[in-house]
Amino acid sequence: EDQVTQSPEALRLQEGESSSLNCSYTVSGLRGLFWYRQDPGKGPEFLFTLYSAGEEKEKERLKATLTKKESFLHITAPKPEDSATYLCAVQAWRDDKIIFGKGTRLHILP
Amino acid sequence: EAGVVQSPRYKIIEKKQPVAFWCNPISGHNTLYWYRQNLGQGPELLIRYENEEAVDDSQLPKDRFSAERLKGVDSTLKIQPAELGDSAVYLCASSLNLWAGGNEQFFGPGTRLTVL
Repeated sequence: EDQVTQSPEALRLQEGESSSLNCSYTVSGLRGLFWYRQDPGKGPEFLFTLYSAGEEKEKERLKATLTKKESFLHITAPKPEDSATYLCAVQAWRDDKIIFGKGTRLHILP
Repeated sequence: EAGVVQSPRYKIIEKKQPVAFWCNPISGHNTLYWYRQNLGQGPELLIRYENEEAVDDSQLPKDRFSAERLKGVDSTLKIQPAELGDSAVYLCASSLNLWAGGNEQFFGPGTRLTVL
């Protein structure tokens, strides 16, 4: 069964304190792995798609990486406005179904 | 460019009552998704449309939930009758045709449903 597990569930960092969020996945034939950001009361906002192991993508203070079993979302020198829930999702070639993890709630303290 | 539009934003109903949610996707997006998101959880797919065709409704509780996407544009998700456990945020998303490489999803703001 396809599965996505995100850790930690919640993370509190001081402004400027870099860290990484983890997304472990089990899927038969990965079509794509997605990272989304979700602010309270809003729908998820697309950040990145990764397709193959070794791929990396960057956007401002965020960098996403992918291996055959997991993905990391690295956040460098975060600011309070980076506080949000970060969601990871995978899509399988077999049926195009997209499965989300439960997310990591990130709180950046000023 | 307008994003995905959903209405209403909030809905409070008594159990056993019907409720309907409406979604207008981004213009030109062939694929439309309905998700349910419970508090502290990730979105869970209910149904996916490719144009007018429902290509994945395996997670839709068909005894009480129904959906339609007439003319391949707007979509409506209905619950009848609603149960207490249906309280959640219902999200609509759209993307370009998957076979054209468009799997980046754009989400609407969601409808928060409370069943009393």
